Amino acid sequence: DVKVTQSSRYLVKRTGEKVFLECVQDMDHENMFWYRQDPGLGLRLIYFSYDVKMKEKGDIPEGYSVSREKKERFSLILESASTNQTSMYLCASSLWGGGTKNIQYFGAGTRLSVL
Amino acid sequence: EDKVVQSPLSLVVHEGDTVTLNCSYEVTNFRSLLWYKQEKKAPTFLFMLTSSGIEKKSGRLSSILDKKELSSILNITATQTGDSAIYLCATPEGSGGSNYKLTFGKGTLLTVNP
Repeated sequence: DVKVTQSSRYLVKRTGEKVFLECVQDMDHENMFWYRQDPGLGLRLIYFSYDVKMKEKGDIPEGYSVSREKKERFSLILESASTNQTSMYLCASSLWGGGTKNIQYFGAGTRLSVL
Repeated sequence: EDKVVQSPLSLVVHEGDTVTLNCSYEVTNFRSLLWYKQEKKAPTFLFMLTSSGIEKKSGRLSSILDKKELSSILNITATQTGDSAIYLCATPEGSGGSNYKLTFGKGTLLTVNP
């Protein structure tokens, strides 16, 4: 069965802290994605990666960075957390290519509160 | 400008009602349209549609694509409280070579009251 695991369901951090959100998939997928989800704004892509050490900016990369040292793991980093980064963060993965490979599988999400 | 637009943004119905959710898209080189259901946590995949007029069905849920109208609908018949969720539609956009990322609509929040 497909599995995408995010390390924390809930996280509370203080303004200015460095925050790491971890995501692991066990499906040998090439692509991994980080989204944030806010009421009224839907899912917005922050960054994605199509291979180890490869990354591309999504629609809202400002204030975030990512790391992919191993195929199964994709980390989202908030270098200096700010209150406007309070949100639900979702990780997803998919195979590389078209057709049914476009189906993304999601983790359960991390609800981050920055105080 | 939004490339994937869903309507309505929210909907409240009673158990047993039938609902229709809408998704319109505007992308270059359309390939497919995907529907997801999101309850309290991870969005889960429902359908992928590639051809106009061919209905995909799973239990009380069904979906169809209209490429002329650049749109898709998701129907849920005899709704139950367990259908309460955010329903998302998305379409792949090229990200380089033969690889794709999904562009999502804002979602429709469906609430089914007993």
